[in-house]
Order: sequence, then structure tokens, then C-alpha cells
Amino acid sequence: QKEVEQNSGPLSVPEGAIASLNCTYSDRGSQSFFWYRQYSGKSPELIMFIYSNGDKEDGRFTAQLNKASQYVSLLIRDSQPSDSATYLCAPQGTDSWGKLQFGAGTQVVVTP
Amino acid sequence: GAVVSQHPSWVICKSGTSVKIECRSLDFQATTMFWYRQFPKQSLMLMATSNEGSKATYEQGVEKDKFLINHASLTLSTLTVTSAHPEDSSFYICSARALGLADYEQYFGPGTRLTVT
Repeated sequence: QKEVEQNSGPLSVPEGAIASLNCTYSDRGSQSFFWYRQYSGKSPELIMFIYSNGDKEDGRFTAQLNKASQYVSLLIRDSQPSDSATYLCAPQGTDSWGKLQFGAGTQVVVTP
Repeated sequence: GAVVSQHPSWVICKSGTSVKIECRSLDFQATTMFWYRQFPKQSLMLMATSNEGSKATYEQGVEKDKFLINHASLTLSTLTVTSAHPEDSSFYICSARALGLADYEQYFGPGTRLTVT
């Protein structure tokens, strides 16, 4: 059973602080990793993806990947109340269709 | 770019009836579309993978005769929930994988909330 593990939260973060989200995965064959943000009652929205070990920055978001440790993380700098949402980690499987394997998500609550 | 639409956005139907949900890629061609279901406070559960012109591939435990998927073109896939029951009430979301773009990315539709009474 391929698994994706995330802390469910809620992760409470003061406005302006850094939110740190972690994700571990079991499928060693996964090469691409996606972070989605999902607001309550809405569908997921792609934030960023990463496929090389190391860091990848996009605006206030930084994804970090360590394939040897099967670990991927997302940092949100200067957190804003609008960042309050559930963040889904999704490694891409090794099947020919590129299925995503979703974690349960981490709920982030940014407090003013 | 990379916009996916779903119709309807919400639907209420009576138990025993069938409901069709459409998923369209508006500005790109989708080689593959995926159908997910999400219950409250739970993560997305992949139901099936749909490829244009071929039969859908269903995940284990998903009844293919109950959830009929048709991927008629590179921009349209439909999910029909047949003989719906209250336990089928859920948030149904499609996603599309783009042909010719950064094709490892999936773009999600806004979802369809189904309530079966």
C-alpha cells in the first residue's frame, strides 16, 4: 500500500510567521511531487511542484525535497490569513497515467 | 491558461435516479482525466482514470457499472452516477493532465457537489 503521511493539524501560525508543512511518502519510485492548497468547500489548487532534490522557491512558497529520506516539505513565508486552508501533498505515482497519491492534508490556520 | 470546468457545480437528485457530471478542459487538450470523490474532512480519493477514446480504468473498490465514465474527446469527460443512493452524496472533482504542456501537472475542476435525497 503506497502511503503519503501528513500531520493533520490544525497548524496555527501567527500572521507574518513561517508555516512549515511536512510530508513523507512510501513509494520510492515517485519522481515528481506536488503541493495543492484546498480551501473549505473548494477543489484543490496547484501551488507548486518539485522533482529535484533540494529547494525550489516560488514567491512566498518554498518546497524542499529529499528523495533519499522520502520527505518533501513546504514552507510558507510571511503567512497571511488568506493562506488558511488545507495543504495536500501529492507524490506522482510511477504508473503511465501519472496518478497522484494524496495525503490527508494539513490544515493551516493563520491568526491575525 | 489550463482551466478545467465542471457542470453542474451542484446537484440534488432523488434516490434511484442517475446524474451526469461533465468535465471540460477549456484551453488545452487533456490526454488523461481523473475523477475523484471527497467526503467531508477527508482527502481526495481517486475513483478512475479516463483516457480519450478508451475505457476508463477504475480504482479498486469502485463499481464501474455504477460510476460510468466516458471520455469522448480530448476536452470532455463525463461521469454518470447511476441509481444514486444517499451514500453517493459527495464532492466529485475531476482533473485533467495536459497534452503538450508541462504534462506532469494536473489541473482540477471546481468540483460538483452531489446530494442524493
